Amino acid sequence: NAGVMQNPRHLVRRRGQEARLRCSPMKGHSHVYWYRQLPEEGLKFMVYLQKENIIDESGMPKERFSAEFPKEGPSILRIQQVVRGDSAAYFCASSASTQGYEQYFGPGTRLTVT
Amino acid sequence: AQSVTQLDSQVPVFEEAPVELRCNYSSSVPPYLFWYVQYPNQGLQLLLKYTSAATLVKGINGFEAEFNKSQTSFHLRKPSVHISDTAEYFCAVTEGTGFQKLVFGTGTRLLVSP
Repeated sequence: NAGVMQNPRHLVRRRGQEARLRCSPMKGHSHVYWYRQLPEEGLKFMVYLQKENIIDESGMPKERFSAEFPKEGPSILRIQQVVRGDSAAYFCASSASTQGYEQYFGPGTRLTVT
Repeated sequence: AQSVTQLDSQVPVFEEAPVELRCNYSSSVPPYLFWYVQYPNQGLQLLLKYTSAATLVKGINGFEAEFNKSQTSFHLRKPSVHISDTAEYFCAVTEGTGFQKLVFGTGTRLLVSP
């Protein structure tokens, strides 16, 4: 059973460009979470999605960031007009359900904004 | 809102010595608790979880953690560490009525030397 897949693993963008991060959950998992890890910090929750629905986006910056989890295909985290402060590792996790079910993490996408 | 405190940012220890990594959480309602390990440039791997069953939880790689409700703690222990245990360790707690999000501590870097 393949784990959570994320691509690309590394992404370099110039200021003002768009960044698209993809996440394929584990087989059978319909819950997807995105977290951001800034240098020397822990992970911070961004958004929780189920298929075609955003359930909780309380951790998402109000502007430039969006996420989706379509019926078919991977979940996408999109960052428009990136700035240097967006440089971080972005992790996707998936779970089979909530209520304490563990979240399985992907290897992350390391975004560098130059 | 939940918060997680990992007081030790770094713990140096010699190989085969015991180790304890401390974690305290803020909620008065026992949530679900997790310990994750992150090796350099990798995603997070679940070590163990507490879901209101036994207070002593055994995980992978010889780690265990004890849930202490009165002290709101969930410290991670290993009786004898190996060089390969060198990594970043994160304590996390669920938040939200559906326990969707994880709130992470800032992490503890375990450095095992020969």
